[in-house]
Amino acid sequence: NAGVTQTPKFQVLKTGQSMTLQCAQDMNHNSMYWYRQDPGMGLRLIYYSASEGTTDKGEVPNGYNVSRLNKREFSLRLESAAPSQTSVYFCASRGWTDTQYFGPGTRLTVL
Amino acid sequence: GENVEQHPSTLSVQEGDSAVIKCTYSDSASNYFPWYKQELGKGPQLIIDIRSNVGEKKDQRIAVTLNKTAKHFSLHITETQPEDSAVYFCASREAAGNKLTFGGGTRVLVKP
Repeated sequence: NAGVTQTPKFQVLKTGQSMTLQCAQDMNHNSMYWYRQDPGMGLRLIYYSASEGTTDKGEVPNGYNVSRLNKREFSLRLESAAPSQTSVYFCASRGWTDTQYFGPGTRLTVL
Repeated sequence: GENVEQHPSTLSVQEGDSAVIKCTYSDSASNYFPWYKQELGKGPQLIIDIRSNVGEKKDQRIAVTLNKTAKHFSLHITETQPEDSAVYFCASREAAGNKLTFGGGTRVLVKP
């Protein structure tokens, strides 16, 4: 039981490049989330998926797209990376309880 | 939308002393308040939570208090140990909602 896994762990991009961050959970959870973490700003919600087949914008969705591929997987795509998207990205999932379970994070640098 | 403010941003305590972190929230409809601990290089992990129908909850050395009237809640860590050194986040969730709003975090350093 791996919980929430994220790939890659680290990534360096040049401005304008695209990439997809992958997230998977093996807890049969319905809800999944993408957050970004910046110093002093806590965790800010980018997008979330309350259930398979649905996605909704969070607090900071601009510049990102998501896909809920199936119940297990929720990916985050940066179409044209900008330096302002340099951050640590966390995926989380939630089942029938209130607890959100977080992955280990992806550290992204955009030059 | 909901706004959560967390203080202090950094906290240094001597091993064995107590640590207190305070959060305020803006949405009176919020009814669930979790606290997460994030160790270096890892994702946040839930350590304790409280609901709006409860004023205080304890789990060994940690406790959380909630004042609904004032819209603030606090995390108390007693008899701090070096392994308590981490970043702590408070959060709130509105009733029937699916999203958490997080505070800015508190970096706690426990000095031996």
